[in-house]
Amino acid sequence: QKEVEQNSGPLSVPEGAIASLNCTYSDRGSQSFFWYRQYSGKSPELIMFIYSNGDKEDGRFTAQLNKASQYVSLLIRDSQPSDSATYLCAVIKSSGDKLTFGTGTRLAVRP
Amino acid sequence: ETGVTQSPTHLIKTRGQQVTLRCSSQSGHNTVSWYQQALGQGPQFIFQYYREEENGRGNFPPRFSGLQFPNYSSELNVNALELDDSALYLCASSPSEGLSSMKQYFGPGTRLTVT
Repeated sequence: QKEVEQNSGPLSVPEGAIASLNCTYSDRGSQSFFWYRQYSGKSPELIMFIYSNGDKEDGRFTAQLNKASQYVSLLIRDSQPSDSATYLCAVIKSSGDKLTFGTGTRLAVRP
Repeated sequence: ETGVTQSPTHLIKTRGQQVTLRCSSQSGHNTVSWYQQALGQGPQFIFQYYREEENGRGNFPPRFSGLQFPNYSSELNVNALELDDSALYLCASSPSEGLSSMKQYFGPGTRLTVT
């Protein structure tokens, strides 16, 4: 079982729709959870960070965490073509620890 | 822009050669982590440096080594290059204290091609 699992996609949504990206993790000791956006040929960019159960909103992005189900998701509202990228889910056990990444979900937003 | 810089941007080396990649961390960040990202994969942790000491290592052979300098910049050295070492090498920096210490910010990466 992989430590962090994501559907590789591609996930295709029309412009203006809500894109829902999902991630599961295997280690119950994981404390904090991250979503990075990576455009083709570029490095990952941190877009969301969550450590408490529930929802965290930042602009058009909402991260949702359910530690009991070992599940974290990212919702992108009013999706734009510029949101087309690979979204990487990452987890960390503690401060100063390594990030463990999933393989990423490729999102394509159709104009 | 994260304030993390890496050099060079691209590099082509021959199998068996050695390479050194460089990273300057964001101002105020004293922890540097290195990751390898193969095509179509998520980044894989190589090692981390904190206050010039190695502070954790992933599943990479000893020919991957590193350094951190007093100004918190860092180097990744790879000896005896293999074809499978072709990847994007990412440096990430983070502060050492508080909740923000969990956030790692990536530099632009170095694309290494081994032929």
